[in-house]
Amino acid sequence: DTAVSQTPKYLVTQMGNDKSIKCEQNLGHDTMYWYKQDSKKFLKIMFSYNNKELIINETVPNRFSPKSPDKAHLNLHINSLELGDSAVYFCASSQVVLAGGSSSYNEQFFGPGTRLTVL
Amino acid sequence: GNSVTQMEGPVTLSEEAFLTINCTYTATGYPSLFWYVQYPGEGLQLLLKATKADDKGSNKGFEATYRKETTSFHLEKGSVQVSDSAVYFCALSDRGAQKLVFGQGTRLTINP
Repeated sequence: DTAVSQTPKYLVTQMGNDKSIKCEQNLGHDTMYWYKQDSKKFLKIMFSYNNKELIINETVPNRFSPKSPDKAHLNLHINSLELGDSAVYFCASSQVVLAGGSSSYNEQFFGPGTRLTVL
Repeated sequence: GNSVTQMEGPVTLSEEAFLTINCTYTATGYPSLFWYVQYPGEGLQLLLKATKADDKGSNKGFEATYRKETTSFHLEKGSVQVSDSAVYFCALSDRGAQKLVFGQGTRLTINP
C-alpha cells in the first residue's frame, strides 16, 4: 500500500532513556515532517526535511534529533526522555499540487502516529 | 505570526443535525486553507481544501468557503452521521513555508 508508515505505534519507556521513532513514505514525496500532538490534541510542527536537508526546526529542545538517511525516511531520535515528552508524534510527507493558474498548495499525508508514554 | 483559531469543543449533536465548526485565521499574504479529520486512534486525513479567496472546498458532504474579507473558513455539513464523530482540525499553509499551522481541534460527537 502507498502510505506514510511509522514504527512503533506505541512506545512506553522510563525517564532518562533514549528512544527512536521511524518513519517511511513510499509516495515519492520530497518533503517530510514531524509533528507533536499533546494531550489536548494540539498539533505543532517540530521539523521538516526536504530532500534530506533540514528546512524547518521549530524551537525544539536539542534532545530531539531528526535524521533523514534518504528522502523516503525521516527518523526521530530523542535523548534523555522527560515526562513532558509524552505525546503522540506524527510523521507526514508532502508534495506541491498545482491547483490551476498560478495557484498551488502543499498537500500533506500523515502517518498513523506513535504514542510515546514516559514514566 | 500565522495562527488559526477554531471554536471550542467538544460539540455534541444528534444524527441528521446541521453542523458548523467555526475557523478563523491570521496570516500574511494569501495562505491555502484546509480541514483535516482525525478518527479515533488514527492519523490525520485531509478532508477538504481551498487555495484562494472565494474557493469552496467540499468532500463527503462537508463544505467550507475561503472568506478573505472575514478571514474565515467555517466547516459545514447539512446532515451529520454517527460516523462523522472525530476531531476536526482547521489549518493553513503559507505559500512557500511548507508547513501547516493548525487550530486547536474540535471534537465532534454524533449521537444516534
